Amino acid sequence: GNSVTQMEGPVTLSEEAFLTINCTYTATGYPSLFWYVQYPGEGLQLLLKATKADDKGSNKGFEATYRKETTSFHLEKGSVQVSDSAVYFCALSPYNFNKFYFGSGTKLNVKP
Amino acid sequence: GAGVSQSPSNKVTEKGKDVELRCDPISGHTALYWYRQRLGQGLEFLIYFQGNSAPDKSGLPSDRFSAERTGESVSTLTIQRTQQEDSAVYLCASSLPPLGRSAKNIQYFGAGTRLSVL
Repeated sequence: GNSVTQMEGPVTLSEEAFLTINCTYTATGYPSLFWYVQYPGEGLQLLLKATKADDKGSNKGFEATYRKETTSFHLEKGSVQVSDSAVYFCALSPYNFNKFYFGSGTKLNVKP
Repeated sequence: GAGVSQSPSNKVTEKGKDVELRCDPISGHTALYWYRQRLGQGLEFLIYFQGNSAPDKSGLPSDRFSAERTGESVSTLTIQRTQQEDSAVYLCASSLPPLGRSAKNIQYFGAGTRLSVL
């Protein structure tokens, strides 16, 4: 079946610290992988995506690389800001894009 | 144009009552999804509409839950005889038609409806 597992939060970091949020997946076939972000009081919005193995998605300083060999799609940022405080969701969509499977979300708190 | 719009933003109801939640997708988006997000948990898929095809209802948790969509427009999610366990944020998302591994396969989410069943 299809599922996504991501590290539990909350993750608390100081401003300018390095961020890693782990995400691993189980899927049939070759899924596309996504990171969504939910800022306080707002809806989810796409942060980045990767559609095939070894692709790197990037946006707003965040990066994630589609690793088929380890079935992972870890989210990284070299220097977090207070404005990055949000809940981050890892997700996959199977090849036919009929469904999306989301992880449980990881809350990030960045302190000044 | 405008993003995905959901109403109401908050709904408080008594156990046993029926509720109806509304989603207005982005114009031109043929795909529409409903999810449930319980407190501190991830998104739970409920139902998926794609154009005029039969909806994928595999995520609906019980026969108290139903959803409708007319064409490619508004969708309503109805919960009958609400239970306290139904308390959650209900999220709607829309997207363009699946086109293989296209950059268009992005879901756009509404802000959700927070349902509280007392």
